[in-house]
Amino acid sequence: DTAVSQTPKYLVTQMGNDKSIKCEQNLGHDTMYWYKQDSKKFLKIMFSYNNKELIINETVPNRFSPKSPDKAHLNLHINSLELGDSAVYFCASSQDNLATAKNIQYFGAGTRLSVL
Amino acid sequence: AQSVTQPDIHITVSEGASLELRCNYSYGATPYLFWYVQSPGQGLQLLLKYFSGDTLVQGIKGFEAEFKRSQSSFNLRKPSVHWSDAAEYFCAVGPSPRYSSASKIIFGSGTRLSIRP
Repeated sequence: DTAVSQTPKYLVTQMGNDKSIKCEQNLGHDTMYWYKQDSKKFLKIMFSYNNKELIINETVPNRFSPKSPDKAHLNLHINSLELGDSAVYFCASSQDNLATAKNIQYFGAGTRLSVL
Repeated sequence: AQSVTQPDIHITVSEGASLELRCNYSYGATPYLFWYVQSPGQGLQLLLKYFSGDTLVQGIKGFEAEFKRSQSSFNLRKPSVHWSDAAEYFCAVGPSPRYSSASKIIFGSGTRLSIRP
């Protein structure tokens, strides 16, 4: 069983559309994250949730709205997609949101979003 | 501000040769340090981590890294690479509990490793 799974793996869409990416973890973790990896492979955190509560919210356009129905799921909804949103989006999870030696982040395989 | 620098964008080594990937960080205190590997089409997998103690850290797949405080470096090494090691490697820094309770990791820009047969 995949520990952190994202769907879809590939997403091709037109500018202006609204799309969602889903993420689920079966590790029993309390904290989940969304990262964006741009065309230069630069990976940057967007959001993190701990037990369905927003913990980290980096400078991200409000067209991006994370939703956590329960602590095992963190979905990313994007409104009015723009060309610059094209990237690979990674979901991750960790035991909790504390910076401790045991708290390792586990990553999904990524969703490659292409906006045309 | 915290930052991670990986000065080598792309490195090619021959199979069986030794490898060293460079990583330098900027941080106000001793941070937590990580190396992740991203194989094509895959997510990131943790290779090893440093939190405290022994500055030479052993990881999976035969990798090791050495934390050098004086140089603010955390270079990744492997004595003999295999073709399956071809991937993108990311160094990352996380906050120590003294400064933050959120496990926010900052990643370097990555080094792409190619293996020459």
